[in-house]
Amino acid sequence: EAAVTQSPRSKVAVTGGKVTLSCHQTNNHDYMYWYRQDTGHGLRLIHYSYVADSTEKGDIPDGYKASRPSQENFSLILELASLSQTAVYFCASRNSGNTLYFGEGSRLIVV
Amino acid sequence: GEQVEQLPSILRVQEGSSASINCSYEDSASNYFPWYKQEPGENPKLIIDIRSNMERKQIQELIVLLDKKAKRFSLHITDTQPGDSAMYFCAASFDSGGSNYKLTFGKGTLLTVTP
Repeated sequence: EAAVTQSPRSKVAVTGGKVTLSCHQTNNHDYMYWYRQDTGHGLRLIHYSYVADSTEKGDIPDGYKASRPSQENFSLILELASLSQTAVYFCASRNSGNTLYFGEGSRLIVV
Repeated sequence: GEQVEQLPSILRVQEGSSASINCSYEDSASNYFPWYKQEPGENPKLIIDIRSNMERKQIQELIVLLDKKAKRFSLHITDTQPGDSAMYFCAASFDSGGSNYKLTFGKGTLLTVTP
């Protein structure tokens, strides 16, 4: 079974604070993705990466940074968290057949 | 980039009947169309997919149809059961075999199957 683990699973952050969401995969997949899920918006792509030490902007990258220090790890960084970034964040890795394996999600509340 | 529209956003059907979800896409180059199911409190999981060289695919009670000319694809769940109640997402992508692969999702359909 493919394994993608996220941490933290839940976090309350203060507006203007820094938040780091971490993702670890043991699938040996090259591609990793960060999506955010909001009611009425579905899953929107923030950043993705297809190789270590390189990241690409997705469809809604503003306010987010990403880091891929190794094939297994992919982080999403909110340098200055804002209320509008309250959402559930999903990390995923992709196999050669294009199947995405999602982590369990990280629920972020910015107050 | 690719845009995917998904309708309806909410669907309520009676157990044993069929449920249909429709999606459309903009980029005629898109060639891969998966469907993901997300149960409450869970992560999305792939349930069926279709590639552009096919028009129809069936896995048990799930049927996917693809109309490339109209740039539309749809999911049909026959003989629905309460366990089919979930959020469903369609998606589209262009897989050139290159390094810039990303999947664009629709906004989701919340399906409720009533006894």
